[in-house]
Amino acid sequence: GQSLEQPSEVTAVEGAIVQINCTYQTSGFYGLSWYQQHDGGAPTFLSYNALDGLEETGRFSSFLSRSDSYGYLLLQELQMKDSASYFCAVKPGNTPLVFGKGTRLSVIA
Amino acid sequence: EAGVTQSPTHLIKTRGQQVTLRCSPISGHTSVYWYQQALGLGLQFLLWYDEGEERNRGNFPPRFSGRQFPNYSSELNVNALELEDSALYLCASSSLAPNEQFFGPGTRLTVL
Repeated sequence: GQSLEQPSEVTAVEGAIVQINCTYQTSGFYGLSWYQQHDGGAPTFLSYNALDGLEETGRFSSFLSRSDSYGYLLLQELQMKDSASYFCAVKPGNTPLVFGKGTRLSVIA
Repeated sequence: EAGVTQSPTHLIKTRGQQVTLRCSPISGHTSVYWYQQALGLGLQFLLWYDEGEERNRGNFPPRFSGRQFPNYSSELNVNALELEDSALYLCASSSLAPNEQFFGPGTRLTVL
């Protein structure tokens, strides 16, 4: 089976940096994705890592270590609008994405 | 380019009733995925359709079913509604890069 672990809640200060970790256990692995979901909204795609290393997209970066079955999402220069839930997701094979339970990020002034 | 659309946006039903939710994928996307998201919880995979066929099914009872039409739009049917079926039902579509799914706004189903 597949399982993903990520913290349920994280609180950080506006302007700071926050890291949301994700560990996974899957029977197959084709990459780690991250999605953002604001309250009442739909999830939106943030990033995808198929290979080890860091991918940067503006203030957001995502990291993957396949040997450690671990990845993280790094958010820099936090803004109030970054308050949302963040989901990591893996694609084990010719199957749909499997999502983690999500991390609720609260950005405080 | 229009995004994924879903209808209706909200729905209130009573226990035992049946409901049909609809989804139109992004033009050119052949895969449609359905997820259930109960309040405060993660996304639970329901069904995956591609090219008109059911490709995979999540751990849900048979009263959850669906289909995909030749134009790649999709329906999710839920029979014999139960209180615990109250949730946000999300539809997503993807093209050949299935790690990136595009989600619709969802249908909020309330079962009383």
